[in-house]
Parts: sequence; C-alpha cells; structure tokens
Amino acid sequence: DAKTTQPNSMESNEEEPVHLPCNHSTISGTDYIHWYRQLPSQGPEYVIHGLTSNVNNRMASLAIAEDRKSSTLILHRATLRDAAVYYCILRGRSFGNEKLTFGTGTRLTIIP
Amino acid sequence: EAGVAQSPRYKIIEKRQSVAFWCNPISGHATLYWYQQILGQGPKLLIQFQNNGVVDDSQLPKDRFSAERLKGVDSTLKIQPAKLEDSAVYLCASSLMMSSAAGEQYFGPGTRLTVT
Repeated sequence: DAKTTQPNSMESNEEEPVHLPCNHSTISGTDYIHWYRQLPSQGPEYVIHGLTSNVNNRMASLAIAEDRKSSTLILHRATLRDAAVYYCILRGRSFGNEKLTFGTGTRLTIIP
Repeated sequence: EAGVAQSPRYKIIEKRQSVAFWCNPISGHATLYWYQQILGQGPKLLIQFQNNGVVDDSQLPKDRFSAERLKGVDSTLKIQPAKLEDSAVYLCASSLMMSSAAGEQYFGPGTRLTVT
C-alpha cells in the first residue's frame, strides 16, 4: 500500500487558517487522496478527497501539488470543534484496492 | 438520515471469554467495514463486506475473530476467546458502493472493548 507521512501534531490559534501537510511520494496515478478526521471519542468522518485538482467543500480545501507527491488540507478558520486527529489516506480505484489504510495522523490542537 | 449504529458502546470482559458486537449500517449502503483501533493508532481494517459477501478479510485473525452480514444489512463481529491485546475500539463503517470516486465511508461511534 502507498504510504503517507504527516506530522504527529500541530497547534493553531482559534479563528486562524490551518494548513495540514501530507507527503505521499509513492502515490500511483490512480490513487485518490482522502482526508478523514476523528474527533475525541468518535469514529472518523470524511473531510474531503481529490485526484489532481484542488478541491473545496464546506468543511475544507485540499491543495494538491502538481506532481501529486504532496497535499495540504486547509481549514480556513479553525474553531475549537476542529480539534481532532486528521488522517491523510491514499485510496486506490481498482477493484479490491479501495480500502482506507489509516496511519497515525496529525493531532491538531486549537488554542483559544 | 440515521447514521451507523453500533452496540454496545462499552464492554468489559475477562480474557478467554467471548464477545459480540453489532452494527446497523446506513440504509441502502452496500458496503460494510469493521475496523479495530488500538489506543494511539489509526483504525485498521479487519473485514469488508459487499452486500453479504466478504471482499477482504486479510487482516482478520480468523482463529478467534469471525464476522457475518446476514441478508446484506446488519453485521456482527465476534471474538472467541478474547485476549488482552484485543482491547481496542471496534468501529463499523458503511458506504454506498465500493468502487466510486469518493467511496466516502460513514463511521459509527464504535464499541470500546476492555479485556482484563
């Protein structure tokens, strides 16, 4: 399975933007980049995904490097409720290769 | 829309006892997953069902773990006999279909198992 590398932890001030980096230098041409987050005592929840182009949704933005070897999840205005572990995951598209392989993620702390 | 339901939320058992977890996925979701999350780690996939057929159980310790999904809806995960190292949160997730662009998975709240 292709692997991702994320910082173990990050801190950010409330109401400021947060940029969460992810390296995936061995990504294949057919892998999607997925982000999930896990709030304390909850199951993970889907945040966003992309293939080649930058993506925006109501929760966040995903910026993907031109060579696809790295990506950045952007929370435009962090709130205390964004404190969570964020997982960057590569997901294949071929049959039998769609599973999510979670790493240890980045623990995001929001400072009031 | 109701989310993924799991029960029980917490379970404490002694080693060598058996335990079962139940999961009810979101209505209409064909794919169901069971994950094990040990403290401090990310979730690890144990088994994946497409309707009532197993797609991937390569990381399921089959000597003690079993899972079924009768009628392609609810699922149960069983451990028999439990070991201390089985202490973890067991997460159930479901998705509409396996091979789609997003394949967004919806997770339940999990069952926290403590084996003493």
